[in-house]
Amino acid sequence: AQSVAQPEDQVNVAEGNPLTVKCTYSVSGNPYLFWYVQYPNRGLQFLLKYITGDNLVKGSYGFEAEFNKSQTSFHLKKPSALVSDSALYFCAVRDMKNTDKLIFGTGTRLQVFP
Amino acid sequence: NAGVMQNPRHLVRRRGQEARLRCSPVKGHSHVYWYRQLPEEGLKFMVYLQKENIIDESGMPKERFSAEFPKEGPSILRIQQVVRGDSAAYFCASSLQGSSYNEQFFGPGTRLTVL
Repeated sequence: AQSVAQPEDQVNVAEGNPLTVKCTYSVSGNPYLFWYVQYPNRGLQFLLKYITGDNLVKGSYGFEAEFNKSQTSFHLKKPSALVSDSALYFCAVRDMKNTDKLIFGTGTRLQVFP
Repeated sequence: NAGVMQNPRHLVRRRGQEARLRCSPVKGHSHVYWYRQLPEEGLKFMVYLQKENIIDESGMPKERFSAEFPKEGPSILRIQQVVRGDSAAYFCASSLQGSSYNEQFFGPGTRLTVL
């Protein structure tokens, strides 16, 4: 079965420091991976995706993610965190075998302290 | 351009009542997905529809839940005889095509509270 794991419920980082939100996946075949962000009482906003090509994917708001096939990971990164980055982050994989629905991780709450 | 619209944003129902959630996809998008988010959990797929067709309803509870996406008008997620366990945020997403290359755009969600 295809799945996504986000091992950290919460990540705390000081403003200005680099941040990493971890994601690992389990799929058969080539993975199509996504990161979404959810602000309180809001819907999900698309950040970036990996389909093919360069392992380092750049997305919105200065975020980037690195696809690592050998480690089956797709960690989200940002060189310098902002307080406004505080939100809930979801990693997702496309279920290629079943109508392209997204399979989400359980989410990681990012807290950036001033 | 308007994104995915959902209404109502908040819905309160008593046990046994019906809940109707509406989703208008991004203009030009013909693929709609519904997801449910329970408190402190990730999103779980419920159903995938194209215009007038249900493509995949593998995530829908077998009873009380139904969805449609008519030729004209919004997609509707209908929950009959709601129970407290139905309290959740329901998100609709749309995509231009069902291809894997197209990301899904999410609406703001409908937060259903069952008293």
